[in-house]
Amino acid sequence: QKEVEQNSGPLSVPEGAIASLNCTYSDRVSQSFFWYRQYSGKSPELIMSIYSNGDKEDGRFTAQLNKASQYVSLLIRDSQPSDSATYLCAVTSGNTGKLIFGQGTTLQVKP
Amino acid sequence: NAGVTQTPKFQVLKTGQSMTLQCAQDMNHNSMYWYRQDPGMGLRLIYYSASEGTTDKGEVPNGYNVSRLNKREFSLRLESAAPSQTSVYFCASTLQGRTEAFFGQGTRLTVV
Repeated sequence: QKEVEQNSGPLSVPEGAIASLNCTYSDRVSQSFFWYRQYSGKSPELIMSIYSNGDKEDGRFTAQLNKASQYVSLLIRDSQPSDSATYLCAVTSGNTGKLIFGQGTTLQVKP
Repeated sequence: NAGVTQTPKFQVLKTGQSMTLQCAQDMNHNSMYWYRQDPGMGLRLIYYSASEGTTDKGEVPNGYNVSRLNKREFSLRLESAAPSQTSVYFCASTLQGRTEAFFGQGTRLTVV
């Protein structure tokens, strides 16, 4: 079992819709959770971080964390074509400090 | 403020050649990482360094060695390059393990 798992997609949504991206992780002592966006040929850039159970909102983005279910998600409201990218879930191991990434989900927002 | 700087940006190697990828950060970060990215595979951790003077293996360390030269610099060495090491390599750093990682611009390596 991979430490961090995502559905690779592609996930296709129409412009203006809500995109829902999901991630599960295996290390129960994980402490920090991140969502990165990566455009083709570019470096990953952080869009959300979350450290405790519940929801965290930042503009059109909402991250949700459920440590009991070992699940973290990202909602993108009012999706725009410019949101089309690969979204990477990342988790920091509580014991080792390693930052582990999932395989990424490709999002396509169609005008 | 340059952030995380990787050199070179592009490299073509012949099978069996060696090379070192350089990474330096100017943010006074403690932790540094090397990842490789292959199509559909996300970012896979090769080695990381939690602090100056320490290094540890990640998911895919075979064929690589690292050196944490000082707090700023973390290099990745391929002793005998193989076509399977054709990939995009990213260096990243964090203030400490729990915080946001900043990435370099990547090195596109082709081994022929």
